[in-house]
Amino acid sequence: QVQLVQSGAEVKKPGASVKVSCKTSGYTFTNYYLHWVRQAPGQGLEWMGRISPIGVSTTYAQKFQGRVTMTKDSSTSTVYMELSGLKSDDTAMYYCAREGGAGYGYWGQGTLVTVSS
Amino acid sequence: QSVLTQPPSVSGAPGQRVTISCTGRSSNIGAGYDVHWYQQLPRTAPKLLIYANSNRPSGVPDRFSGSKSGTSASLAITGLQAEDEADYYCQSYDTSLSGWVFGGGTKLTVL
Repeated sequence: QVQLVQSGAEVKKPGASVKVSCKTSGYTFTNYYLHWVRQAPGQGLEWMGRISPIGVSTTYAQKFQGRVTMTKDSSTSTVYMELSGLKSDDTAMYYCAREGGAGYGYWGQGTLVTVSS
Repeated sequence: QSVLTQPPSVSGAPGQRVTISCTGRSSNIGAGYDVHWYQQLPRTAPKLLIYANSNRPSGVPDRFSGSKSGTSASLAITGLQAEDEADYYCQSYDTSLSGWVFGGGTKLTVL
């Protein structure tokens, strides 16, 4: 079965960086884009960007350009999202999600990133 | 301020029908991009409820239906049940932003 398993919760200080992983299984990794979506406490969903499973293509939301980097390790079917210059309002649950050409049919369990001094 | 506009909340009694609107613009829904809907139960990841405007993934009850017209889309839920109490989000692609966008979310309360 398709699974997206994310790394554990993180606590970071303002100005630091965080790198969240999303290990996929149960399907052919090269067939689907992976997206990252975040949700601040009590707030809505916010699209951050996506990474192609083939090559080096990434697309980032304008809000995060210059601060976010999405990478992948095809040998382990894992994607990563690194966010730098953390601020308190980056405190959120971060999700990876698989794009099936028609919405996100599969989601990771979420990784809580807390930014606090 | 979300690019796609949803009502913050809707409510209905068990058995009733409710609709949730999602209003976009000419750069997203009005440009012909598909609308997807997600249901998020408390403290869980979102779940795909409707894809490509009106299609239900396997396992989603036919009480849930979606439609799209012009620059707007709607999610309808009939025969409301207590378990439908959740947050609902619409999503589409926006060509002016060159990325995907979500509505602000609608909290459904079953009275």
